[in-house]
Amino acid sequence: AQSVTQPDIHITVSEGASLELRCNYSYGATPYLFWYVQSPGQGLQLLLKYFSGDTLVQGIKGFEAEFKRSQSSFNLRKPSVHWSDAAEYFCAVGRNPNFKAGTALIFGKGTTLSVSS
Amino acid sequence: NAGVMQNPRHLVRRRGQEARLRCSPMKGHSHVYWYRQLPEEGLKFMVYLQKENIIDESGMPKERFSAEFPKEGPSILRIQQVVRGDSAAYFCASSPPSGRRNTGELFFGEGSRLTVL
Repeated sequence: AQSVTQPDIHITVSEGASLELRCNYSYGATPYLFWYVQSPGQGLQLLLKYFSGDTLVQGIKGFEAEFKRSQSSFNLRKPSVHWSDAAEYFCAVGRNPNFKAGTALIFGKGTTLSVSS
Repeated sequence: NAGVMQNPRHLVRRRGQEARLRCSPMKGHSHVYWYRQLPEEGLKFMVYLQKENIIDESGMPKERFSAEFPKEGPSILRIQQVVRGDSAAYFCASSPPSGRRNTGELFFGEGSRLTVL
């Protein structure tokens, strides 16, 4: 069965420093992967997604993620963190390989990012 | 440009009462998903519906919980005889119909927060 692991529950980064949030997945086929961000009391917003092709994907707000099949990882990165990036970040994998038919996503437990000044 | 609309945003119920949570998908979307979020547990998939059909309810508790997405009107998540353990944030997401428009992304509402006293 598909699953997603986010090893870090909470990370604190200084403003202006670089960020990397880890995500490992378990999936039987070629996965399609997502990163979402959730601000307190809000819904989830898509940062970026990977289906195929270039393994380095660019997203909104200056985020990027790299798909590494050999490591079953899809880590999220940002070169310089801003205070407004403080939020909870979720990695997700699609349940159904035929995603265009519509499918639910399986989420990790999330990583809370705090930004210190 | 209305997104996914959920109501109520906050709901308080006493043990044994019923809770009804409503979700109107984005315009043009025909797939609806319900998730439950508990602190430090991430989002747990509950059910995936299309108009008048339940496609996948593998994440729904076997008792007291039901969901529908009628031909007309919003999707409803119904919890009967609520218990304190049902206290959580319930998120609805939607996606376009199957085919080229569906990129696998789910669009989330801001959630309904249920508190059971």
